[in-house]
Amino acid sequence: EIVMTQSPATLSVSPGERATLSCRASQTVSSDLAWYQQKPGQAPRLLIYGASTRATGIPVRFSGSGSGTEFTLTISSLQSEDFAVYYCLQYKNWPWTFGQGTRVEFK
Amino acid sequence: EVQLLESGGGLVQPGGSLRLSCAASGFTFSTYAMSWVRQAPGKGLEWVSVINDSGSSIYYVDSVKGRFTISRDNSKNTLYLQLNSLRAEDTAVYYCLASFDYWGQGTLVSVSS
Repeated sequence: EIVMTQSPATLSVSPGERATLSCRASQTVSSDLAWYQQKPGQAPRLLIYGASTRATGIPVRFSGSGSGTEFTLTISSLQSEDFAVYYCLQYKNWPWTFGQGTRVEFK
Repeated sequence: EVQLLESGGGLVQPGGSLRLSCAASGFTFSTYAMSWVRQAPGKGLEWVSVINDSGSSIYYVDSVKGRFTISRDNSKNTLYLQLNSLRAEDTAVYYCLASFDYWGQGTLVSVSS
């Protein structure tokens, strides 16, 4: 099983600031990596797939990078609606595995 | 518009059973691998099981092997998850997922005496 490790667990950011979230895989997942945003009481929403491709309707302030074992989600200028929990998912191998999540909170 | 509508959750005693359903619309269901993902209260996401488009390949997370069974009916655009021998630690919101793209809103399974 591929273990996905996200850091930090919590990120305190002010609106308008840049947020950088990391996800590390225990073995290579190539570019088979997705990022999701989840708000309380809601299902996760796909932000990024293929490590760097924005899903339909996702604002350009969200960007993904990386390949192999190291990945980054960047929110260039945090908006109030971006405060949420973010998860990475590797879909290279079964079982698919999620990171434990990064909570982006208001500073 | 893509829609995934889960149903079948509820309160069940330890050792009991439930059958979850996920009705899909707005996309070609028969061409998508489908998964179940769960989220325990206040916890992160855990992938549970996947079935490929034809139903010929199935995988489970170790913690549910032998207890849960995933299946699909492409003629009805519906995904299923049979949950047997339920434990308290199976308490979670269960989401169905089309490939890695589309999520349902979830159905709550509570296992308690």
